Amino acid sequence: GAGVSQSPSNKVTEKGKDVELRCDPISGHTALYWYRQSLGQGLEFLIYFQGNSAPDKSGLPSDRFSAERTGGSVSTLTIQRTQQEDSAVYLCASSLAVVTDTQYFGPGTRLTVL
Amino acid sequence: GNSVTQMEGPVTLSEEAFLTINCTYTATGYPSLFWYVQYPGEGLQLLLKATKADDKGSNKGFEATYRKETTSFHLEKGSVQVSDSAVYFCALSVNTGGFKTIFGAGTRLFVKA
Repeated sequence: GAGVSQSPSNKVTEKGKDVELRCDPISGHTALYWYRQSLGQGLEFLIYFQGNSAPDKSGLPSDRFSAERTGGSVSTLTIQRTQQEDSAVYLCASSLAVVTDTQYFGPGTRLTVL
Repeated sequence: GNSVTQMEGPVTLSEEAFLTINCTYTATGYPSLFWYVQYPGEGLQLLLKATKADDKGSNKGFEATYRKETTSFHLEKGSVQVSDSAVYFCALSVNTGGFKTIFGAGTRLFVKA
């Protein structure tokens, strides 16, 4: 079946602009995660959604970052007033549940802030 | 707190050499442990996992054993191939005081023919 998809695959924006990144998880997966991978770095956890529960936002680096998940499926990560340090690959993953379940990753969105 | 430490790369090996990539962790509660791999030009994918102490995960000739006493989950392969060249990430997931997945920084492996 279809895997996790993300759009756009690449986004170039100017400092101070807002951007929206989209993630379509695997159908039936209740858990959805956002990560950030900076050049040469590991993955930094940003936010996690599980079913209808309140999301775990503990990884969001600042209040410029927000995310929502509509209808328990598609998720949008929004970065307001982008800064150059926001440049990274943003990865989305989904899983059936949590902890022991395999996370399936999308191809990522490469964000470049000029 | 929760953390994952894995050996720095890059690691360069000749084909058919033995591979070990060290991974140690600290965690509150009882984590599940994972190795993910990112091949050139591809997305991150699960290589293997172990959900409790003494479990051994294995896939594609790779193995890792969940060692609670040494808080380690080292990745091993007896004979690497050029096609194993990739970045390998050790990770833990724990559901204590809120869900957390922590990834290591990644270890890049180059295998020469």
